[in-house]
Amino acid sequence: EVQLVESGGGLVQPGGSLRLSCAASGFTYSNYWMSWVRQAPGKGLEWVATIKQDGSEKYYVDSVKGRFTISRDSAKNSLYLQMNGLRDEDTAVYYCARAAWDTSMVFDFWGQGTLVTVSP
Amino acid sequence: EIVMTQSPATLSVSPGERATLSCRASQSVSSKLAWYQQKPGQAPRLLIYGASTRATGIPARFSGSGSGTEFTLTISSLQSEDFAVYYCQQYNDWPPGDSFGQGTKLEIK
Repeated sequence: EVQLVESGGGLVQPGGSLRLSCAASGFTYSNYWMSWVRQAPGKGLEWVATIKQDGSEKYYVDSVKGRFTISRDSAKNSLYLQMNGLRDEDTAVYYCARAAWDTSMVFDFWGQGTLVTVSP
Repeated sequence: EIVMTQSPATLSVSPGERATLSCRASQSVSSKLAWYQQKPGQAPRLLIYGASTRATGIPARFSGSGSGTEFTLTISSLQSEDFAVYYCQQYNDWPPGDSFGQGTKLEIK
């Protein structure tokens, strides 16, 4: 059974940093592109970042470029999102998601999400 | 940048009836369109990809159609568990960018 379990969310002040983790199991993690998608309270879905299987390609939504870094560790079957310079508008539930196929933005499995709250 | 627009924002339908949700792209995305269902407090679930292909385990009452800029998700006979928010998503862009519509809330009439 495919499982994606996020952790690391919490309350952080504006300008602060946080590192999210996603533990993957039930599939060959190293074979898949992975992404982070977020959802602000009461709002829709927003793609945040995507990383290739070997980490050689990474893509970000414009609003987080230069502040967020996506990474992965295939030995630990884990995905990460380092978030620096956090802003109020980064408050959201952050989901880890698996791409259904290469260079795909179709997400066939999602984690349960971890809440990040940016507030003074 | 391709902008996805869903309509209506809210759709009220009675159980057992048909629901039709629309999604429009600001430019052609070919058939690279997916639909997701999200229930309160849950992660999204992939329903449809390739505009019309049901994902694994999705009931046949869910169907997708369209190509280019106009797409439709149809739920043929609404069950209680189908009341949720539905998002369309284009994946024609690469490198990726904004891809999701704003969602349609399907509520019980």
